[in-house]
Amino acid sequence: SYELTQPPSVSVSPGRTATITCSGDALANQYAYWYQQRPGQAPVLVIYDGTKRPSGIPERFSASNSGTTVTLTISGVRAEDEADYYCLSSDSSGTYWVFGGGTQLTVL
Amino acid sequence: EVQLVQSGAEVKKPGESLKISCEGSGYSFSNHWVLWVRQKPGKGLEWMGIIYPSDSDIRYSPSFQGQVTISADKSISTAYLQWNSLKASDTAMYYCSRLGELAAESAAFDIWGQGTMVTVSS
Repeated sequence: SYELTQPPSVSVSPGRTATITCSGDALANQYAYWYQQRPGQAPVLVIYDGTKRPSGIPERFSASNSGTTVTLTISGVRAEDEADYYCLSSDSSGTYWVFGGGTQLTVL
Repeated sequence: EVQLVQSGAEVKKPGESLKISCEGSGYSFSNHWVLWVRQKPGKGLEWMGIIYPSDSDIRYSPSFQGQVTISADKSISTAYLQWNSLKASDTAMYYCSRLGELAAESAAFDIWGQGTMVTVSS
């Protein structure tokens, strides 16, 4: 079965830049989507179609793609960005979708 | 306002059946895929399956095929997730989400329900 791999945790000081990676064989030709989930809340879409930000998502959230790895970057991290982040994508056929295991972002 | 409202928390015993719901409003429910996601306590998100309410086209994740039933009633803009015989391992938060258009030829699971907590315990 298809898998997306994320680091379990990332720590960053306020004002610095956080990077969260997501690796998967099909990411070279399938879009990735990123979700933020704060404790006790439903997920929120922060990136779609690989690199695009939905309306209302701060500009400090961005994403990039390099082959089979995609990266979510949060610039000028704030305390409110502390959350779990999940990537979502499909296998090469577009049939089966999976979430990455999630990355807990801690703002020190 | 576009929103998905899910049914309330449930406490069930092993072996019991259950059907939880997800009602959409503020948009054309029939013409948007609805996704179901499981999140066990302290764990990550798991893709369960999706349904297109207009024609009830359903795609299950292999991990959930045969374990749950996804359905929808487009006449009342509601999607359902159903179990015939619950197990303790089904204890989790369940979310629904819709596939919305964010731009021309761009879609994503953009609106999420508030979640339904299902607890299965003897």
